[in-house]
Order: sequence, then C-alpha cells, then structure tokens
Amino acid sequence: DAGITQSPRYKITETGRQVTLMCHQTWSHSYMFWYRQDLGHGLRLIYYSAAADITDKGEVPDGYVVSRSKTENFPLTLESATRSQTSVYFCASGLANTDTQYFGPGTRLTVL
Amino acid sequence: DQQVKQNSPSLSVQEGRISILNCDYTNSMFDYFLWYKKYPAEGPTFLISISSIKDKNEDGRFTVFLNKSAKHLSLHIVPSQPGDSAVYFCAASADGGTSYGKLTFGQGTILTVHP
Repeated sequence: DAGITQSPRYKITETGRQVTLMCHQTWSHSYMFWYRQDLGHGLRLIYYSAAADITDKGEVPDGYVVSRSKTENFPLTLESATRSQTSVYFCASGLANTDTQYFGPGTRLTVL
Repeated sequence: DQQVKQNSPSLSVQEGRISILNCDYTNSMFDYFLWYKKYPAEGPTFLISISSIKDKNEDGRFTVFLNKSAKHLSLHIVPSQPGDSAVYFCAASADGGTSYGKLTFGQGTILTVHP
C-alpha cells in the first residue's frame, strides 16, 4: 500500500540496549523527518533528511543516530536507550518546496 | 524556550457550535503556519495552513486567522462535529513553506465535541 509506515508499532526495551525504529515511504518524497511526542512538549524534531545520504540535526538529536541510504527508508537508532527516551516516535515525509508533512502512525517506545 | 504555544490544553464544545483553538508564537521569523489534527493511535494529519502574507485562509468548515502584530493565530471550526474530537497541533516554519525540516510545533489542544 502507498503511504508511510513505521515498525514496530510498539516496543519495550531495557536501559542500555540498542533499538532501531524503521520508517518507510512509498511516495518518493525527498524529505523525511523523525519527531518525538511527549506530554507538555508537543512534537519535537529529532533529525531530518533532505535526500538520500543527507541528514541534519533537529531540536533534540542527542542519543539518536539516523541514516538514509535509500530515498524510501529513514531508520532511527537509539544507540544506548535511556528512560528519558520513552516516548511516541513519529516519522514524516514531504516534498521539497512545501511545509506539508505526512506522518506515519507512530511507534510507542518504552525504555525500562 | 517554547516558540509556539498552545495555552489551552483542552477545549469542550457542543455539536453545531463554533470551536476556536488558539496558538501564540514568539519567533518573528516564522512566516508559514500549519494546523495538524491527530486522532489516538494515529499520526498527525495536515488540516490547513496560512502564509504570513495573508490574514485568513478558509477550507470548508475550517478557517485559520493570523494576526502578525500580536503573533497569534487561531483555528475556527464551524459547525463543530463529534468527528472533530481530536488533538490539534499548531506548527510554524521560518522558511516560507519550503519544507526545510524546521517545523516547530505547539503542545497541542484536545478538542472534545459533545453530541
């Protein structure tokens, strides 16, 4: 199906473990984004990518790593998960020359 | 430093009446504003946007008003329907709507529309 998907939808992990959240879009949008949603903060940008092999930090990048070897995929890795990274993570994509972003369904991550 | 603020965490409205959701911003470089709607267990979906060269944009039951001097925007929903019950996020950009990854979101307002 066309669109933007995230996997897994739910993940429980332990402090110190590495976790990778996957994001896949079928629209060939050049831009892709990772946000986290926390109570009282709304959505905060973690990293974004303007094209394959081009990534840049957002507002809250510490503790996260991204890569984008293919236009359609934008994985987010927590190298050593901490409790403060318990959150709902949203991936989004968008075309150049527009601020309209299209969001995936989210991944709820719990770090114990 | 919250550059985009939605000071009302929640709003309750009767079906058929007007819903007004408010958003304030502090960064004078913001020149493009968007509203997103979010249902539980789903990602946000784009609702409506407005450029700083306009003071109003309308799409069906949804109208966004921008007051640049007050750094304030509002979303009006008329008439409100129970299906409008969701979390509404205000977002702002400083790049004129060119998707350079710099959307700044507010905290969100939970709208509940009662039948």
